[in-house]
Amino acid sequence: AQTVTQSQPEMSVQEAETVTLSCTYDTSENNYYLFWYKQPPSRQMILVIRQEAYKQQNATENRFSVNFQKAAKSFSLKISDSQLGDTAMYFCAFKERGGADGLTFGKGTHLIIQP
Amino acid sequence: DADVTQTPRNRITKTGKRIMLECSQTKGHDRMYWYRQDPGLGLRLIYYSFDVKDINKGEISDGYSVSRQAQAKFSLSLESAIPNQTALYFCATSLASGSYNEQFFGPGTRLTVL
Repeated sequence: AQTVTQSQPEMSVQEAETVTLSCTYDTSENNYYLFWYKQPPSRQMILVIRQEAYKQQNATENRFSVNFQKAAKSFSLKISDSQLGDTAMYFCAFKERGGADGLTFGKGTHLIIQP
Repeated sequence: DADVTQTPRNRITKTGKRIMLECSQTKGHDRMYWYRQDPGLGLRLIYYSFDVKDINKGEISDGYSVSRQAQAKFSLSLESAIPNQTALYFCATSLASGSYNEQFFGPGTRLTVL
């Protein structure tokens, strides 16, 4: 069974700063997907960014980028030029490629952007 | 209109009551999921379904049952609710052949069992 670990329960940074959220995972699979989801106070789950394990290039979506280290089983999220609207819970998630079951989530990191 | 809807959005019930949470989708996806979110625990999978005839238990299925009435509808039932089932419940959908097997989430149902 896969496990996902987010070691930072809460983080706080000033607006416009860059922040990195950590995520490690454990799996015996070679082909899989990794995701970062954002959950603002509205509680909606919003996909931020995703990565395929067989792609070495790190995914980027505007101010959001990941540092994917497959050998280390690490998948961190970097948010550049942080904004007040980035305040939310962030969840790292794993899915086996081709697997029919659901996502395996970490426990989340509560990110607070201070004005 | 939202692609994945959940009803009710909030519900307060009493211990021992039977309750059903409903999920509908207009995305035409074949796979549907129910997750539970507890503070500090992230989301955990309760049940998932590949199609109308296929239902599978997830990590925490005890105390829950599901019904896939149609491709677009997937209901979660608590036969006899207990206080530790107080949580936020999410329905999600995905396409078997979709890119990344990406899952799309409903808005969630907050359930309180007194």
